[in-house]
Amino acid sequence: GQQLNQSPQSMFIQEGEDVSMNCTSSSIFNTWLWYKQDPGEGPVLLIALYKAGELTSNGRLTAQFGITRKDSFLNISASIPSDVGIYFCAGQGPGGTSYGKLTFGQGTILTVHP
Amino acid sequence: EAGVAQSPRYKIIEKRQSVAFWCNPISGHATLYWYQQILGQGPKLLIQFQNNGVVDDSQLPKDRFSAERLKGVDSTLKIQPAKLEDSAVYLCASSLDAGSYEQYFGPGTRLTVT
Repeated sequence: GQQLNQSPQSMFIQEGEDVSMNCTSSSIFNTWLWYKQDPGEGPVLLIALYKAGELTSNGRLTAQFGITRKDSFLNISASIPSDVGIYFCAGQGPGGTSYGKLTFGQGTILTVHP
Repeated sequence: EAGVAQSPRYKIIEKRQSVAFWCNPISGHATLYWYQQILGQGPKLLIQFQNNGVVDDSQLPKDRFSAERLKGVDSTLKIQPAKLEDSAVYLCASSLDAGSYEQYFGPGTRLTVT
């Protein structure tokens, strides 16, 4: 089945630093989404990408849909303590997979030191 | 707008016992998803409903798991009998319809099987 590989698995940064994480797949995806999950809560949607090459921002967050449709990147600028959490990428595949079905990566754990 | 509601938030049972989880999606959302999230992993889709019909249950262990969404709104997920490996967080998500890949998650039910 489709698999997503997220890297890095974890990051420890100082407040104010920029963060970059990515997600790659051997399969093509039509849609990429980025979620953040806080402890004890469900994932919260951050950014959705629908076209290859698309670059979308949401405040300090910027995400890109790779040209090959097999990868996506998330950048967080000027990190703050509340950015702490687990970041997941998710992709929705082309025809042949269930309409609306998402495949999730294994997550990147972000720790921000004040 | 109220988010996705789930109950209970926590449940501890012994192996071979039964358990049921409840989900109320965002009002007006036709598509409902149940995910299993094992510690340290991303969510894995168990079953997808469109209104009260099943779209995808290919990853649902049907010998022990069942789910229903009788009136196209609330949904229940049941495990009978539970195994140790069922210990996980069970997340419910909803989207406007299957063509909308933006899924909104509830807080989840943390199940511990002893």
